[in-house]
Amino acid sequence: AQSVTQLDSHVSVSEGTPVLLRCNYSSSYSPSLFWYVQHPNKGLQLLLKYTSAATLVKGINGFEAEFKKSETSFHLTKPSAHMSDAAEYFCVVRYTGGFKTIFGAGTRLFVKA
Amino acid sequence: DSGVTQTPKHLITATGQRVTLRCSPRSGDLSVYWYQQSLDQGLQFLIHYYNGEERAKGNILERFSAQQFPDLHSELNLSSLELGDSALYFCASSVAWDNEQFFGPGTRLTVL
Repeated sequence: AQSVTQLDSHVSVSEGTPVLLRCNYSSSYSPSLFWYVQHPNKGLQLLLKYTSAATLVKGINGFEAEFKKSETSFHLTKPSAHMSDAAEYFCVVRYTGGFKTIFGAGTRLFVKA
Repeated sequence: DSGVTQTPKHLITATGQRVTLRCSPRSGDLSVYWYQQSLDQGLQFLIHYYNGEERAKGNILERFSAQQFPDLHSELNLSSLELGDSALYFCASSVAWDNEQFFGPGTRLTVL
């Protein structure tokens, strides 16, 4: 079955330290992968997407993600966390040939001063 | 502002009632998606329409239905409402099925 797993429900970092949010997906020959962010009481905003071009994808606000086919992973990183990064992050998968969008359960990021 | 609009922002109703949520996609987007976000279920894909035709169904209950009109706006109809239907309902739109989706601000439904 098609699925996406976000390995951490909560991640806490200090301001200025690196951020790593982990995402694994079930194997498919050509997935499209996305990361979205949701701030409290707001809609979802696209951070970045992977659609079979470069494996290292750069997004907005200093975030980037690396597609690793051998590990079926698409982890989100940022070199230095900012207080405004505190939000919920969703890893999303869409499979070629199907039209369903599958969301991970979300990872809530806390940033300490 | 994503360009996707949803009305109403908030809706409070009683069990057994029927409501309609409305979504206007970004200009030029042919695809509309509906999602339900609740504390216990997370974000669940409900249904996808492309240029007026249903393309995919997710975890949508039989009490729920949707349609996309010729002007591309979409409506999600929820009937025989139950307490468990209380959630945030998002609409998203995209140019085509594999492009990024742009999300509206959501409609918060409370069933009392």
